[in-house]
Amino acid sequence: DAGVTQSPTHLIKTRGQQVTLRCSPKSGHDTVSWYQQALGQGPQFIFQYYEEEERQRGNFPDRFSGHQFPNYSSELNVNALLLGDSALYLCASSSGQGNTIYFGEGSWLTVV
Amino acid sequence: GENVEQHPSTLSVQEGDSAVIKCTYSDSASNYFPWYKQELGKGPQLIIDIRSNVGEKKDQRIAVTLNKTAKHFSLHITETQPEDSAVYFCAAFRMDSSYKLIFGSGTRLLVRP
Repeated sequence: DAGVTQSPTHLIKTRGQQVTLRCSPKSGHDTVSWYQQALGQGPQFIFQYYEEEERQRGNFPDRFSGHQFPNYSSELNVNALLLGDSALYLCASSSGQGNTIYFGEGSWLTVV
Repeated sequence: GENVEQHPSTLSVQEGDSAVIKCTYSDSASNYFPWYKQELGKGPQLIIDIRSNVGEKKDQRIAVTLNKTAKHFSLHITETQPEDSAVYFCAAFRMDSSYKLIFGSGTRLLVRP
């Protein structure tokens, strides 16, 4: 049973560029959340997708957007990258509301 | 707003000793409290969780206790081993009305051989 898978694992982008990160949830899970983890800090909630809709959003600007596909996989898009967007981006999946939440290994984004 | 405080930020113990990490949450409606272990360069791994209808849960060398009145919960690791060295995060969640985990700031645990 594959867990939460994310791609790419590492990437380097230039300030002002755009990036797309991808996530496949754990088998049987229909809910995907994205978190940003800066170095030395705990993960911060970006948003959650359920039934292909954004269900809740954290305190992140509109430069951060996402999408969920019919097969429950998800993408995180960040436009107009800033140096401060450099972080580990984590995808988490769960089944329904209130069930155990599992994380992927993350995508390391470096903005130069 | 919602907040989880975690202490200590770093903890160094001798192999075989016990380690305790404490968290306090602000949202009294929180009812699910997972603990994650994060090794260097990896994503958070769920190690144990507790729901608000129980006060304690054990899984081999790991236990979690919850005091809803004081809004405290703690992670206890007994007979620590070097492979327990990692960063541990507590989190709080409202199972019925929210969609996000609120994380503590993390505890870096070092188990000395």
